[in-house]
Amino acid sequence: ETGVTQSPTHLIKTRGQQVTLRCSSQSGHNTVSWYQQALGQGPQFIFQYYREEENGRGNFPPRFSGLQFPNYSSELNVNALELDDSALYLCASSFGEGFTGELFFGEGSRLTVL
Amino acid sequence: QQQVKQSPQSLIVQKGGISIINCAYENTAFDYFPWYQQFPGKGPALLIAIRPDVSEKKEGRFTISFNKSAKQFSLHIMDSQPGDSATYFCAATPNGGTSYGKLTFGQGTILTVHP
Repeated sequence: ETGVTQSPTHLIKTRGQQVTLRCSSQSGHNTVSWYQQALGQGPQFIFQYYREEENGRGNFPPRFSGLQFPNYSSELNVNALELDDSALYLCASSFGEGFTGELFFGEGSRLTVL
Repeated sequence: QQQVKQSPQSLIVQKGGISIINCAYENTAFDYFPWYQQFPGKGPALLIAIRPDVSEKKEGRFTISFNKSAKQFSLHIMDSQPGDSATYFCAATPNGGTSYGKLTFGQGTILTVHP
């Protein structure tokens, strides 16, 4: 059973650019949640995808968008990057039906915006 | 109303001591309260979780105490070990189905256990 994998692990962008982060869910999981973790802070919920549909969004602007594919892998896209977007982006997978409560997190993608 | 407030920000204990981390919440819709442990360079991992139908849950050296009327819960680590040195996050979410994936996290506590 493979865990949650994210790519890339590190990347540097400049203000105004666009970025795509990728997540491969744990085998059998049909739900993926994305979180932003600023340095020294707790993760903040961005949005969740369940069976390829957005299923809830936190307090993030529309320039944060996502996709979930039929194999339940997922992407997080951020347009018009701002300096404050610099953070660790975490993907977490789970099984939506009969869920026991545990989220399985990847190791994250660290984004630096210059 | 969505916040979860966590304290202290950092904690230093000696090996064998008790580590206590506290959290408070306001949203009465919260119905599931997990604690996550995060080591440097790693994603958070579930440590222990509680639902408000019980006031305490123990798993090995880790215990959650829950006070529904005060809207507070805490993590106790007994016999703390250097390997417990990590950042600990409390979290909360409404119960049920995909809501488990929409956690509201506290700010985190950096625990250092000295040998």
